[in-house]
Amino acid sequence: EAGVVQSPRYKIIEKKQPVAFWCNPISGHNTLYWYRQNLGQGPELLIRYENEEAVDDSQLPKDRFSAERLKGVDSTLKIQPAELGDSAVYLCASSSPWGQLNTEAFFGQGTRLTVV
Amino acid sequence: LAKTTQPISMDSYEGQEVNITCSHNNIATNDYITWYQQFPSQGPRFIIQGYKTKVTNEVASLFIPADRKSSTLSLPRVSLSDTAVYYCLVGVGTGRRALTFGSGTRLQVQP
Repeated sequence: EAGVVQSPRYKIIEKKQPVAFWCNPISGHNTLYWYRQNLGQGPELLIRYENEEAVDDSQLPKDRFSAERLKGVDSTLKIQPAELGDSAVYLCASSSPWGQLNTEAFFGQGTRLTVV
Repeated sequence: LAKTTQPISMDSYEGQEVNITCSHNNIATNDYITWYQQFPSQGPRFIIQGYKTKVTNEVASLFIPADRKSSTLSLPRVSLSDTAVYYCLVGVGTGRRALTFGSGTRLQVQP
């Protein structure tokens, strides 16, 4: 079974430009997370979806970041405009429905964003 | 969400047992304790999860005392490939879906 798929793997953009990341979660997983990880730090939650509903977006910088999960499957995370401080690895993860015994989250390999 | 505290780094040698302890004094009744492993340029990977006492799988053991205010991840006979960052998380489980990562413990295994 395929794991969580993210693309692109790497992205280099100039500041003030827009950028988008795409995530395809594991089939059947209705919980999807977007995380940002700065060098040497743990992942920081940006947004969490239950199906197509964003149930936790308190850490998402809404002035420049947006996310969507229109059909409750794939998701995109967008930054517009990007700033130098947005350089980080953006991780997507998914987990099985709430209430099941196995609630581990599966992570993709991430997208490494460099803003120059 | 319960805050976790774990050592910033640890060093070990191949073949040794490594124990990483995590403190979580404010753990709630419904909270589970979960450990993730992360290699460079990869996303975190689930290692083990427990609620109380001891849990063992093919990779590691997790020891949780009765008061649940701390937990210890035990890696038996580590190899060079166990060099990674290990994260202790509290809160995953029934009713708690957020995954909150701290800074983790950077384990370096040497020959």
